Amino acid sequence: QVKLLQSGAALVKPGASVKMSCKASGYTFTDYWVSWVKQSHGKSLEWIGEIYPNSGATNFNEKFKGKATLTVDKSTSTAYMELSRLTSEDSAIYYCTRQGNWSFDYWGQGVMVTVSS
Amino acid sequence: DTVLTQSPALAVSPGERVTISCRASESVSTLMHWYQQKPGQQPTLLIYLASNLESGVPARFSGSGSGTDFTLTIDPVEADDTATYYCQQSWNDPPTFGAGTKLELK
Repeated sequence: QVKLLQSGAALVKPGASVKMSCKASGYTFTDYWVSWVKQSHGKSLEWIGEIYPNSGATNFNEKFKGKATLTVDKSTSTAYMELSRLTSEDSAIYYCTRQGNWSFDYWGQGVMVTVSS
Repeated sequence: DTVLTQSPALAVSPGERVTISCRASESVSTLMHWYQQKPGQQPTLLIYLASNLESGVPARFSGSGSGTDFTLTIDPVEADDTATYYCQQSWNDPPTFGAGTKLELK
């Protein structure tokens, strides 16, 4: 069965960076786009960007350009997102998702990022 | 960006029929999808492309609409359906989500 297993929660200082992972299993990793979605506390969902593992091609929400960097390791079927120059506004839960049928058909369990000194 | 407007909350009794609406600020054709999110969990896909039931989702859930107006229907509602429901469009860039409709059972 399809699974997306994300890395654990992170506590980071303002101005620092954080890199999180999303390990895929149960399907051919290189055949599907992987998106990342932000959910601020008690709020709705924002699409950050997407990456196509086969080629490494990426697309971003304008709001997150310069904030997020997306990469993949095809050998381990793992997608990564790095967030830079963190502020309190970046404190949120971050999900990786697989794109299928034009929608987000599978989701990871989420990574809670807390930005605090 | 395409804004999706949902009513903030609904309260229904088990066994009733509930409709959750989502209105888009511009046409999204039929590229509208619905997700369920229970507290402390990740969202899960219920309906894709406006009216297609995701595999494993109970047939109590159904979706309809095209253009700018869409509806998610749950009939009959069960206690386990307590959750927040989000619509999401993928016709216009960037993909956007509604603010969510919190469904509570009386």
